[in-house]
Amino acid sequence: SQQGEEDPQALSIQEGENATMNCSYKTSINNLQWYRQNSGRGLVHLILIRSNEREKHSGRLRVTLDTSKKSSSLLITASRAADTASYFCATDAQGGSEKLVFGKGMKLTVNP
Amino acid sequence: KAGVTQTPRYLIKTRGQQVTLSCSPISGHRSVSWYQQTPGQGLQFLFEYFSETQRNKGNFPGRFSGRQFSNSRSEMNVSTLELGDSALYLCASSLAWGGERAFFGQGTRLTVV
Repeated sequence: SQQGEEDPQALSIQEGENATMNCSYKTSINNLQWYRQNSGRGLVHLILIRSNEREKHSGRLRVTLDTSKKSSSLLITASRAADTASYFCATDAQGGSEKLVFGKGMKLTVNP
Repeated sequence: KAGVTQTPRYLIKTRGQQVTLSCSPISGHRSVSWYQQTPGQGLQFLFEYFSETQRNKGNFPGRFSGRQFSNSRSEMNVSTLELGDSALYLCASSLAWGGERAFFGQGTRLTVV
């Protein structure tokens, strides 16, 4: 069952620009995480935001969480070609039996 | 510290066969989870083990099974393979059950022909 839904599904930008991706989910959560995946490889954990937090920063990453709207956004500032990857949000649904529920992912292409 | 190690990286099997995939978690991590990734269904949770016990199970048929050993290493097995089982199988380890930050391996790419 897919809980998170990233938007847009694909984004192409130039190096140096900012990239914003959004995630919506359906049920109450304990926390929300963002992961990056380079083509066909494993997932790299980027950042975790708890349900009682509204904003979090990590380097060039900024994540916001709005539990009233059941949505989160990931902002990557000053993007680099190396940021080209698929990005996933993942939630752990309260009371659910699944550990992490992932969205379908968003493909980000950063052109040099 | 070594990361999560999955073996083999690539595998080709024939329909009807069975397959066993292996995952060695990060040293000290006791929770191991498995996920299946396909283009159509995305990333789907298979199961989670902690201290050799299955704690959570996703919505997959009984052909998918797993286990965890006393050293936290985990294996998953798929019997009677179907073409639709072709996928990237990802293993993640975390410090404790219900642990929040999961570290993923590079995955095993299974192709069923």
